[in-house]
Amino acid sequence: QEQLQQWGAGLLKPSETLSLTCAVYGGSFSGYFWSWIRQPPGKGLEWIGEINRSGSTNYNPSLKSRLTISVDTSKSQFSLKLSSVTAADTAVYYCARFGNHIMDVWGKGTTVTVSS
Amino acid sequence: EIVLTQSPDFQSVTPKEKVTITCRASQSIGKNLHWYQQKPDQSPKLLIKYASQPFSGVPSRFSGSGSGTDFTLTINSLEAEDAATYYCHQSSSLPRSFGQGTKLDIK
Repeated sequence: QEQLQQWGAGLLKPSETLSLTCAVYGGSFSGYFWSWIRQPPGKGLEWIGEINRSGSTNYNPSLKSRLTISVDTSKSQFSLKLSSVTAADTAVYYCARFGNHIMDVWGKGTTVTVSS
Repeated sequence: EIVLTQSPDFQSVTPKEKVTITCRASQSIGKNLHWYQQKPDQSPKLLIKYASQPFSGVPSRFSGSGSGTDFTLTINSLEAEDAATYYCHQSSSLPRSFGQGTKLDIK
């Protein structure tokens, strides 16, 4: 059964770059888009973006200027970088598998706090 | 961008009650509408895909309906473990989007 394990720095200062990685275990890395979603404290889910094995990406236009999603197929990992963070980027960040229109496997989430 | 609007935002319900949550899309999305359940401090879990198809392992009391712009999630005979926030999600077009969520509180 496929599992996603994610990690990254949990505390950042304003203007720093958020960096998270998600590793895929126990399943195929091909045929899916690998996604990032975030959830600010007490709020709903926001789709950040996604990447497939070939490196093709789709980004949320609201974040596109600060966002880079990359993939390392040799390790079955994908990563998120969000530059110039502010307090508004404080959230739980989830990675998820997107295939056949659904996000059916999710990571446990990483809490990222931006504070001076 | 497709906007999904859920109603209600919050509902307090009693066990065994029937619950209906609606999701309205700002433009037609066919049946590319999916429902997720999120319990406190947990990741979202897929409940219903393509508007009406239960995901693997989901209890039969959960069902979905709709197409185009109007969708419904129904929970029959609510159980205490169903206390959660429910989100709809559209995969019809980019950027992908979620409804704002409906929080169910069990009395």
